[in-house]
Amino acid sequence: DTAVSQTPKYLVTQMGNDKSIKCEQNLGHDTMYWYKQDSKKFLKIMFSYNNKELIINETVPNRFSPKSPDKAHLNLHINSLELGDSAVYFCASSQAGGWIEKLFFGSGTQLSVL
Amino acid sequence: GQQLNQSPQSMFIQEGEDVSMNCTSSSIFNTWLWYKQDPGEGPVLLIALYKAGELTSNGRLTAQFGITRKDSFLNISASIPSDVGIYFCAGGYKNAGNNRKLIWGLGTSLAVNP
Repeated sequence: DTAVSQTPKYLVTQMGNDKSIKCEQNLGHDTMYWYKQDSKKFLKIMFSYNNKELIINETVPNRFSPKSPDKAHLNLHINSLELGDSAVYFCASSQAGGWIEKLFFGSGTQLSVL
Repeated sequence: GQQLNQSPQSMFIQEGEDVSMNCTSSSIFNTWLWYKQDPGEGPVLLIALYKAGELTSNGRLTAQFGITRKDSFLNISASIPSDVGIYFCAGGYKNAGNNRKLIWGLGTSLAVNP
């Protein structure tokens, strides 16, 4: 079983559309994240949730809205997609406390906005 | 803001050679971590360091937490083709709100010629 699974793997869509990416982790972790990796491979944190509560919200357009129905799931909804949103989006999870920096990543969702 | 300088940006080596890469910062970190990203996958944790001066090995990989807490290096001995990928350093610290955060390096892309 995949520890952190996200779907879809690839997402190709038109500018202006709304899309969602789903993420689930079966590790029993308390904290989940969304990261964006640009074309230069730079990893930038977008959001962090701890037990369904938002704890980190970096400077991200409000077109991006994370939703955590329970601590095993963290979905990302993006409204009015723009060309600059094209990137690879990674979901990750970690245990709270001393292990919080030990992140387990999903395999990524490659988003292409045309 | 805090930044990590990771070098080299890329390396092309022959199979069997040793590899060394490092991360430096003007800021102090409480933890240093090294991740590897294979093509089409999310980063995977290789080594986590929690104490200044700590030297830790994981198979052919060795990493050290710099004594000043501002740097870390990763060595790979006797490289093999499956070492190909992007290696990221990450530094962990607590912000003013006592939240633990990670700063990521820009990655070192490693290519191994068999």
